[in-house]
Amino acid sequence: QVQLLQSGAEVKQPGASVKVSCKALGYTFTGDSMHWLRQAPGQGLEWMGWMKPHSGATNYAQNFQGRVTMTGDTSTSTVYMELSRLRYDDTAVYYCAIYDILNSFDSWGQGTLVTVSS
Amino acid sequence: QSALTQPPSASGSPGQSVTISCTGTSSDVGGYNRVSWYQQHPGKAPKLLIYEVNKRPSGVPDRFSGSKSGNTASLTVSGLQADDEADYYCCSNAGYGKLVLGGGTHLTVL
Repeated sequence: QVQLLQSGAEVKQPGASVKVSCKALGYTFTGDSMHWLRQAPGQGLEWMGWMKPHSGATNYAQNFQGRVTMTGDTSTSTVYMELSRLRYDDTAVYYCAIYDILNSFDSWGQGTLVTVSS
Repeated sequence: QSALTQPPSASGSPGQSVTISCTGTSSDVGGYNRVSWYQQHPGKAPKLLIYEVNKRPSGVPDRFSGSKSGNTASLTVSGLQADDEADYYCCSNAGYGKLVLGGGTHLTVL
């Protein structure tokens, strides 16, 4: 059973960057892609992009191009999502999730709340 | 790409059936059989209900079913139960390795 453990809540000022981690337990990175999604308070889910830890390949949603960087470390089974030039409307819960061979998100992290506040 | 269109809310009484639609375009929902559905309870991470339009992962009751016609996918919840009250999201492949989600539907069990 795959378990995704995300880093803790963050409070950042506008203009700063935040880096959220997601460690996979009981899982070996192969060809699956690790995705990031976010959910602003009271809002729906928004897809941010993915990276493949094994190859380093990435694919970002247009809305986040130039501001997001997704990386991975296969030695520690950990992936990272860094979002720069934070704005107030980046306040959200950020989720990592594995998009598997069933073409769906079957495993999710617990979510990381990022609050952008001055 | 634009979010898939879902009704903001749906409702039904216990035991009844409710269908939630998810409308996209020929570039996403209509172009791929890679539509999935998720249930999210408040404060929790989403849970997979349906993958590849109409397939259920093990452990998901057969009260949940999915279908697709043209650019619209649908999730039907039969035999509504109190615990089905939650938010539901659809997700589709959108080409070039990208995904797109619906805005979500809040299901109320009356």
